[in-house]
Amino acid sequence: EVQLVQSGAEVKKSGESLKISCKGSGYSFSTYWIGWVRQMPGKGLEWMAIIYPGGSETFYNPSFRGQVTISADKSISTAYLQWSGLKASDTAMYYCAIALDGNYYWDYWGQGTPVTVSP
Amino acid sequence: QSALTQPASVSGSPGQSITISCTGTGSDVGGYNYVSWYQHHPGKTPKLIIYDVSDRPSGVSNRFSGSKSGNTASLTISGLQAEDEADYYCSSFTTSRPYVFGTGTKVTVL
Repeated sequence: EVQLVQSGAEVKKSGESLKISCKGSGYSFSTYWIGWVRQMPGKGLEWMAIIYPGGSETFYNPSFRGQVTISADKSISTAYLQWSGLKASDTAMYYCAIALDGNYYWDYWGQGTPVTVSP
Repeated sequence: QSALTQPASVSGSPGQSITISCTGTGSDVGGYNYVSWYQHHPGKTPKLIIYDVSDRPSGVSNRFSGSKSGNTASLTISGLQAEDEADYYCSSFTTSRPYVFGTGTKVTVL
């Protein structure tokens, strides 16, 4: 069974750093793209960045380039999203999702990681 | 990379059919047959319901169907049921990468 298990809820202060994770199981980690999606309170879904663990290719939505860093560790089948200086506007739910290389849809999703950043 | 345009809300009575549009450009919706649709119940995980414009994943009701014409993709829900009340998002592969979502549509079952 394919599973994406995300790290737990985070409460941070503005300016702090943060790294959230998404651990995959039940599939070949290196052959699926992993993406991160943001949903701000009361707002829609936004693609942030995607990474291909098999080749370390990464693509960022221009709105998020320079604001976050996506990475992956194949040895432990885990992807990460990190911030070096959080802002209150980073308060949101963050989802990871996967797509088989060669497919262009995201068929499995993590449960979401809520992040709250106080000013 | 602007979000694809969807109507903010669509409503219908049980048993009716509704259609949600998703308008982009030639760099996304119009340029590729890689439009997918996701159903999102608040507090839950998004669920893939249509991929590659009109294909349905195994286990998804055949009441959901997708199509595309030019720069606009559409999702039709036929035989509307109470459980269909949710937010729906289209997503497309884009020339500039990685992907782009639509603005989202809240479906209300009257």
